[in-house]
Parts: sequence; structure tokens; C-alpha cells
Amino acid sequence: ETGVTQTPRHLVMGMTNKKSLKCEQHLGHNAMYWYKQSAKKPLELMFVYSLEERVENNSVPSRFSPECPNSSHLFLHLHTLQPEDSALYLCASSQASSGEVAKDTQYFGPGTRLTVL
Amino acid sequence: AQTVTQSQPEMSVQEAETVTLSCTYDTSESDYYLFWYKQPPSRQMILVIRQEAYKQQNATENRFSVNFQKAAKSFSLKISDSQLGDAAMYFCAYRSPGGATNKLIFGTGTLLAVQP
Repeated sequence: ETGVTQTPRHLVMGMTNKKSLKCEQHLGHNAMYWYKQSAKKPLELMFVYSLEERVENNSVPSRFSPECPNSSHLFLHLHTLQPEDSALYLCASSQASSGEVAKDTQYFGPGTRLTVL
Repeated sequence: AQTVTQSQPEMSVQEAETVTLSCTYDTSESDYYLFWYKQPPSRQMILVIRQEAYKQQNATENRFSVNFQKAAKSFSLKISDSQLGDAAMYFCAYRSPGGATNKLIFGTGTLLAVQP
């Protein structure tokens, strides 16, 4: 479970706080993803970065701000969140556009369990 | 838009028995990839098995195998000789080929319990 790491594993924050989630991948991949996992709902893709450029933003509220400083690191900056934002936030990485599904497969981190009070 | 449906929110199986988890999907594409991911309680989501739509042969990985019915748009997962460690949430996922990203579309998951 060391291919993709996420910190912190648990986070409790108030609606006025500012916090950041961190993801790091040690697999040499060139694409990274943020997903939101809520109970009884499919995983929701939030952001995709390919070669450090954001290539997808699925109508995520502006209170979530991603940052990808290099191909190994991905951040999700949080500010003025709402209680409904409480969820498990998963990071994943893959070798995008390699043309081989075995290499294109996404590998997930353990997630950050976020609770917004 | 593609969708993935897992109609079984929960399943239960006796240890050493076989269980099949259902997944159907909707797409107009002819080429795509399908995946089953496993998420144990409080642990990382890991890939169980994957299938390329252009391959007629069903994928197998040790005790895990799929029944891929392309015409019916069905992709079920069979777990043979179930073990206690198989207890987890199982997600079916769809991906279009190519492009700059590998966007996965997930189902809502099936929670599998394994009874000793």
C-alpha cells in the first residue's frame, strides 16, 4: 500500500477553516486524480491532472482548489466547506495514454476521511 | 453518457463457497475497458481484475473471474473458494479507451460479507 500515499488520513474541520489534502505517488505515473466517495453513491471524479496540467474539472465548487506542482504530488485545498462535503477523498494515479490498459490502470491511495462540522 | 449499475447493494457468502456479483453498464462505444475494484473496510481500493472489451475471452485472476457478455452489456465477477479476506466493498468501473485521461465511471458498489 505504499504506491500512492495520502495525508492526513483523517481530518475534522470547521466550515471556516482552510486545510489541504496531500497525495503522493511513487509509481512514476503521469496522471493523477481526485475522487469523492460518499455513502451509497458512486465515486465522483473531481479533478484530473495529466502531465501536471488540469484536463478535467467536473463542475466542482470553487471551495475545492486542486494543485499539481509536479507529476508526483497532488493537493486539494479546502476552504469554507459545507457539512455535505464530508466524505472520503481518494487520490489515484495512472500512466495515461500509454495505449495499454495494464499500464493505464488507476492505482488508489488510502483516502482522507473528511468531516466538516 | 456511460453509466454503470450494480443492482446488489449487499451480498453474503459462506467461506469456501462461490459468489457472483452483478454489474451492467450502458454505452454506445464499441471499445472500452471494464474493471472490478475491491475496497476492504478502512483500507485501500485495489484492482481485482480488468477486461478489454475487444477480447472475447473472459479474464481470470486466481480465484477471481469475470463473465463478460458484451451484447448484454454485463460484466459479473465470480469469486470462487471465498475467503474471509474477500469481505469488502466491490466496485465495477468502466473506462473509455485513449484520450489524455483515463476517466473511470463507477457503480455504487456491492458490500460482500463472508461468513465463517
